[in-house]
Amino acid sequence: AQKVTQAQTEISVVEKEDVTLDCVYETRDTTYYLFWYKQPPSGELVFLIRRNSFDEQNEISGRYSWNFQKSTSSFNFTITASQVVDSAVYFCALRGTGANSKLTFGKGITLSVRP
Amino acid sequence: NAGVMQNPRHLVRRRGQEARLRCSPMKGHSHVYWYRQLPEEGLKFMVYLQKENIIDESGMPKERFSAEFPKEGPSILRIQQVVRGDSAAYFCASSPAPDSSLSYEQYFGPGTRLTVT
Repeated sequence: AQKVTQAQTEISVVEKEDVTLDCVYETRDTTYYLFWYKQPPSGELVFLIRRNSFDEQNEISGRYSWNFQKSTSSFNFTITASQVVDSAVYFCALRGTGANSKLTFGKGITLSVRP
Repeated sequence: NAGVMQNPRHLVRRRGQEARLRCSPMKGHSHVYWYRQLPEEGLKFMVYLQKENIIDESGMPKERFSAEFPKEGPSILRIQQVVRGDSAAYFCASSPAPDSSLSYEQYFGPGTRLTVT
């Protein structure tokens, strides 16, 4: 069975602080995909990143960066110099392949960025 | 290329009524997933459909819930005799066929917020 754990439930930071959102996953699949989604107060799901299990290269996109470590089954997300617009719920998700292609989500982390 | 469409965006039903949620996948996508987000909770998988076929319904409640994805038209998630506990946001996602090079991507619709009074 697949499982995603986001141990942090709520994080509050002051604008311009850096913040890291943790994600730990469990799977028996050898090929799998990891995702981060953002859900702002408006409610839609915004895709942020996808990572393949065979590609451990970390990625940076503007103020966002992701650290994928297979050895610890973690896929952490860092926001540098946070802004008020980053306030949202962030979900980490795991997907298998073929018939097991459903997304398994963590419970989400509510990030509040105060001005 | 239009994204995944869901309608209605908001749906209010009284207890005991039926709710029908529609999802039109992105053009060229033949696979649809339904997820439910209960208040203050994460998203939970419900069902995975291919056109005219249910691939995985392991997340569907055993009673009152059904889903279909006909050859023509949108995918429908149907909830019969709704109860207050069915109040949630229902998201649909679509993806290309498994043999596509982009088969691992799921694109989400804006969701349908169901309120049962």
